This record gives sequence, C-alpha cells and structure tokens, in this order.
Amino acid sequence: DTGVSQDPRHKITKRGQNVTFRCDPISEHNRLYWYRQTLGQGPEFLTYFQNEAQLEKSRLLSDRFSAERPKGSFSTLEIQRTEQGDSAMYLCASSLGSQGETQYFGPGTRLLVL
Amino acid sequence: DQQVKQNSPSLSVQEGRISILNCDYTNSMFDYFLWYKKYPAEGPTFLISISSIKDKNEDGRFTVFLNKSAKHLSLHIVPSQPGDSAVYFCAASPYNTDKLIFGTGTRLQVFP
Repeated sequence: DTGVSQDPRHKITKRGQNVTFRCDPISEHNRLYWYRQTLGQGPEFLTYFQNEAQLEKSRLLSDRFSAERPKGSFSTLEIQRTEQGDSAMYLCASSLGSQGETQYFGPGTRLLVL
Repeated sequence: DQQVKQNSPSLSVQEGRISILNCDYTNSMFDYFLWYKKYPAEGPTFLISISSIKDKNEDGRFTVFLNKSAKHLSLHIVPSQPGDSAVYFCAASPYNTDKLIFGTGTRLQVFP
C-alpha cells in the first residue's frame, strides 16, 4: 500500500534561497492538492490539479510560489526567494477526482527559513 | 475570516468515556464535511466524512452528526482510547470546488 509520499521531509534554508518540494500521489488518483500549515492553525489550501491542469490557486500563493504537475503524476512546489514567513509544514494530498472524494495526505515537508 | 471554527483548543477525556468534538461553520455553500486526526510530525489522517444530505454517519467507534440549520457538526468517539490522543481537525468543502477549509483543531487527550 503506497500512500502519498513527499520529499524531503525536512528542509532548512537561508532567507533568499529557492527551495523545491516533491509530492507523489496515490497512483490512481488524478487530483493533487497542496496545503500549508503553520503552528496552531489548520492546513490552508494553496492549489490543486486535475491531472496536469492547475484548476485553482489560493490568494496565499504569491508570485514567489509556483506549482507544477507536468505529466499528471508527481507534482513540485517551488518557493523562490524564501522569507522567514514561509516557514511552515507543506502538505500534499491526493484524491480520486470527483467532488466529495476523500483527500489523503502525505507526511508533509517541514520548511524552516533562517 | 474563519469559515470553519473549532472553539475548543483542547479536550481531556478518561479512557472508556465518550469524546465529543465540535465544529461550527459559516458558509452555506459547504456541502461535504470531514474529520481528520493528526499526530505530531505526520500528515492528517482521514477519519470520517458526511455529506450535507445526511445528518449522521457512523464508522465503528466514530460517529459524525451534522446539524445544517445550526451550521454545526460534531464527532463522537465511543469508547475513547489512549491511542485516540491527537489533534482533530474539522474540514469542509464548498459544492463548487474541491478544496478543503480546515478549522484550527482540537487537541484530544485520553487518559487512563
């Protein structure tokens, strides 16, 4: 049973550097989501894909953030010119694809920007 | 604007008793609701869900109740076990999108 996987699990970077995270969804799932969670808060929606098409982006996703899912399988989330406020847990989830289908989450990538 | 609210940041329950976690929402467009459990350093784990056309859904020790007129849902865990100790998140999805809106979570501690 392969669930959603994320890499790396932890990332420490200096302010101003670029970072990229990867998410591999459950194999038959065609929807993939990115969320961000900060301390004391619930996960906040960032963006989601149906296959390779990016269907929705949150206002939280500034122009320093970009997400791709080039072949409709794995996805990458890149943050350019990181800021200390970007420190958070970045969560990826996947689902079968219709509204109401359960989203299954990966273990997350914890980012610390110094 | 917190559309999904979990007003109790923590709850402590004795093993074997019932745990009741509450969640309120403000957006009438929500039509699908879920509960997730989260342990430290892990992603949220799906527990149970309910569609707005129902008022109750049950799965083993977990039951979710939905009161649409009050815009309120609750998660009942009976009997509570020490392994249930975690942070529980309520989430809701509007009918016209697939994104989830989460509450801030309730930390449940089940003690022997």
